[in-house]
Amino acid sequence: ELKVEQNPLFLSMQEGKNYTIYCNYSTTSDRLYWYRQDPGKSLESLFVLLSNGAVKQEGRLMASLDTKARLSTLHITAAVHDLSATYFCAVNSGNTPLVFGKGTRLSVIA
Amino acid sequence: NAGVMQNPRHLVRRRGQEARLRCSPVKGHSHVYWYRQLPEEGLKFMVYLQKENIIDESGMPKERFSAEFPKEGPSILRIQQVVRGDSAAYFCASSPQGYGYGYTFGSGTRLTVV
Repeated sequence: ELKVEQNPLFLSMQEGKNYTIYCNYSTTSDRLYWYRQDPGKSLESLFVLLSNGAVKQEGRLMASLDTKARLSTLHITAAVHDLSATYFCAVNSGNTPLVFGKGTRLSVIA
Repeated sequence: NAGVMQNPRHLVRRRGQEARLRCSPVKGHSHVYWYRQLPEEGLKFMVYLQKENIIDESGMPKERFSAEFPKEGPSILRIQQVVRGDSAAYFCASSPQGYGYGYTFGSGTRLTVV
């Protein structure tokens, strides 16, 4: 059974600081997704990572994938308040539904 | 591009009533997935449907819950005799191909059972 674990689950960081969110998964994966969810809203797709060593960047967010370690990271550079949200990673493996981690609730404070 | 449309956005039901949640996928998408999100939790898979077929219902509770995706019209998630524990946000996603390919999520239906 595919399991996805994220850490930390809660993260409070100061504006301008850097931090990394980690996503571990238990079996080989075909695709790994990062989503953002604002309170009371739906999920916004941020990145999809397909292969070992894949790195994608959008603004202050950068995601990477190490399939050998079964690990993905979401790195936040010089955080700003607008990045406050909950971030989910989700993994698909073969003919299985997308499995989500519990999410990391990020709060960026001045 | 209207995206995935879910309605209602908010639904309040008394214990024992029925709840019907609707999902219209992105135009051209024939694969629909339902997920449930409890407070402070991630999304849990419930069911995957293609037109007129249930492909995977491994996440559906055995009783009171059912889902359909008819040839015409939206997908429906039906919860009979709701209980307080059914209170959650229910999200629908659609994709042009099966499993794990390019999901688009709807805005969700927030069910409150009183």
